[in-house]
Amino acid sequence: DAGVIQSPRHEVTEMGQEVTLRCKPISGHNSLFWYRQTMMRGLELLIYFNNNVPIDDSGMPEDRFSAKMPNASFSTLKIQPSEPRDSAVYFCASSLAPDREKLFFGSGTQLSVL
Amino acid sequence: GESVGLHLPTLSVQEGDNSIINCAYSNSASDYFIWYKQESGKGPQFIIDIRSNMDKRQGQRVTVLLNKTVKHLSLQIAATQPGDSAVYFCAENKYDYKLSFGAGTTVTVRA
Repeated sequence: DAGVIQSPRHEVTEMGQEVTLRCKPISGHNSLFWYRQTMMRGLELLIYFNNNVPIDDSGMPEDRFSAKMPNASFSTLKIQPSEPRDSAVYFCASSLAPDREKLFFGSGTQLSVL
Repeated sequence: GESVGLHLPTLSVQEGDNSIINCAYSNSASDYFIWYKQESGKGPQFIIDIRSNMDKRQGQRVTVLLNKTVKHLSLQIAATQPGDSAVYFCAENKYDYKLSFGAGTTVTVRA
């Protein structure tokens, strides 16, 4: 099993640009999570999908952030326009009910907004 | 608000010794706890979990202890190896799917 696959591994962009992060969950997993990790705030849940449907997006910081899951094997997190304070590592994680809390994380995308 | 916290941010241990990483939680309703290991440049990796109806669970070289009376969780690593150097996070399940992560403890193994 390849695990959760994220791309790109690193992204450097300028303030105001659109950024799209991608995630392929583990095959067969029906829950998908996007997390953000910073030194100041640690790991924060941004959004949770179950069976491709967004269930909880209360962690999405602003309207500049949006996430989609068009099918069971793909999800995107988009930031438009990006700002320097969005710089962080963004992780995608997936899991399978009934052990929905047992998350398997990808390697993350290191985002730097200049 | 309620949160998961760690007693110590760093731990230095001699190779071959046992390591103990502690975690305090404040949500008495949490019923599931997980320990994750995060190596530099990688995502958190599942180590071991425990449910609130247990007080101890063992894995390969790792043991998790849960003391619900004092809301304390610990991870014990036996015969610590250089590959155990990483940041260790405890996480509690607050509602259904939501995990709340602690700040993390950095473990450094001395040769």
